[in-house]
Amino acid sequence: GNSVTQMEGPVTLSEEAFLTINCTYTATGYPSLFWYVQYPGEGLQLLLKATKADDKGSNKGFEATYRKETTSFHLEKGSVQVSDSAVYFCALTPRGNEKLTFGTGTRLTIIP
Amino acid sequence: NAGVTQTPKFQVLKTGQSMTLQCAQDMNHNSMYWYRQDPGMGLRLIYYSASEGTTDKGEVPNGYNVSRLNKREFSLRLESAAPSQTSVYFCASSSQGRETQYFGPGTRLLVL
Repeated sequence: GNSVTQMEGPVTLSEEAFLTINCTYTATGYPSLFWYVQYPGEGLQLLLKATKADDKGSNKGFEATYRKETTSFHLEKGSVQVSDSAVYFCALTPRGNEKLTFGTGTRLTIIP
Repeated sequence: NAGVTQTPKFQVLKTGQSMTLQCAQDMNHNSMYWYRQDPGMGLRLIYYSASEGTTDKGEVPNGYNVSRLNKREFSLRLESAAPSQTSVYFCASSSQGRETQYFGPGTRLLVL
C-alpha cells in the first residue's frame, strides 16, 4: 500500500538555523507529493507540492525536490523564523487516486 | 472568502449519544473529504465524496456515516459515539482528484 514516513519530532531550532525535515514514501507509479503546514489552532494549509520526478516545489522560503530514485521529498529552509513554528505534514496522492495519505507530522518549534 | 467552514468548533458527548458535524465550502469544488487527526497518527481519511451524490469509504469509516447534501455541503454523523472517537475532525475540499485540498478549521470532539 501507500505510505509516508517522516522524521520523528519534535524539532527545536534557533532562529536563522537551517531546517531539514525528512520525508520518504512508498507508492506505485508516480504519485503527487505535498507538504502541508498546520499552525497552532488552525486547519492544514498547503505549503508546496510537486507532481513529477525532479520537480522542486517552493513557497515562503521552503523548498522540497521530488526524488524518484530515493523516493524522498525532504523539506528545507535556509533560515527559519519564529513564525515557522508549526506542525508539518508530508503527504502523497497516487496516480489515478484522489485520496491523500499523510505522514504522522513533525512539530517544529523555533526559539528566538 | 470563507473557504471551508465547519460547525461546531468544539463538542462534548457522552458515550452512546449521536451528533452530526457540518461542513460547507464556497469554492465550487467537486470533491470533499472528512479526516480525523489523532496524536502520533497524522490525518486519516474517514470518507470522501468525489462528486455530488457519491460517497466512498476511506481508511477508518467504521462508526461513521456521511451525506453529500449538495455540492457545497458534506456532513459526518456519529450514530452512537464511543470514547475511541475522541479526536479532531477536519473537512477538506478540492476541485478534483490530485489537486490541492483546502481544509476547514476543525472540530474538536470529546466523548466521555
